[in-house]
Amino acid sequence: GAVVSQHPSWVICKSGTSVKIECRSLDFQATTMFWYRQFPKQSLMLMATSNEGSKATYEQGVEKDKFLINHASLTLSTLTVTSAHPEDSSFYICSARGVSSYNEQFFGPGTRLTVL
Amino acid sequence: GENVEQHPSTLSVQEGDSAVIKCTYSDSASNYFPWYKQELGKRPQLIIDIRSNVGEKKDQRIAVTLNKTAKHFSLHITETQPEDSAVYFCAASRANAGKSTFGDGTTLTVKP
Repeated sequence: GAVVSQHPSWVICKSGTSVKIECRSLDFQATTMFWYRQFPKQSLMLMATSNEGSKATYEQGVEKDKFLINHASLTLSTLTVTSAHPEDSSFYICSARGVSSYNEQFFGPGTRLTVL
Repeated sequence: GENVEQHPSTLSVQEGDSAVIKCTYSDSASNYFPWYKQELGKRPQLIIDIRSNVGEKKDQRIAVTLNKTAKHFSLHITETQPEDSAVYFCAASRANAGKSTFGDGTTLTVKP
């Protein structure tokens, strides 16, 4: 099956620093990748949709200058949380969709971000 | 945009009983409806999906039904087992049209 990896699995950083999270499709080409944020016991909140080689489409209320998304290749997308603050602490999950997928998304294992 | 409502938010059943989770959607153009299972601290895993050209799909103890007229779809789990305990999410989307809209999730607890 399609495998998506995410790195790092967890990260602790100081307030004001930036953190980069990588999402990779390991055995397929992902034309579209999605970035979600999930709070404890809550649903997946879509932050942005990224298509390879083009700018990401951000959901309403998501600051694009704070959450920088780059989808430079068909197997890699990155999310950079800039000038992180404690309220950015959350579980970030990416998903990827391949060319041949009807609309099925394959999720990464998630990254637990804690900002001190 | 699409709006997906999921009920109930929590569900507790006895081992061996059936569990049913229901979702409604608002966009009549949506035609792909997956269900995901998420265990604590882990990624959502697709367990079953249905497309709008069929009304029901079954995979062993799991089935999904779709009523396009009423714009609702349901997940049915029979002969529940403790390992079925998890959070289940429904979603709806238009095929090849990008993002999916997720329900708020149902926490299923199967008591041994």
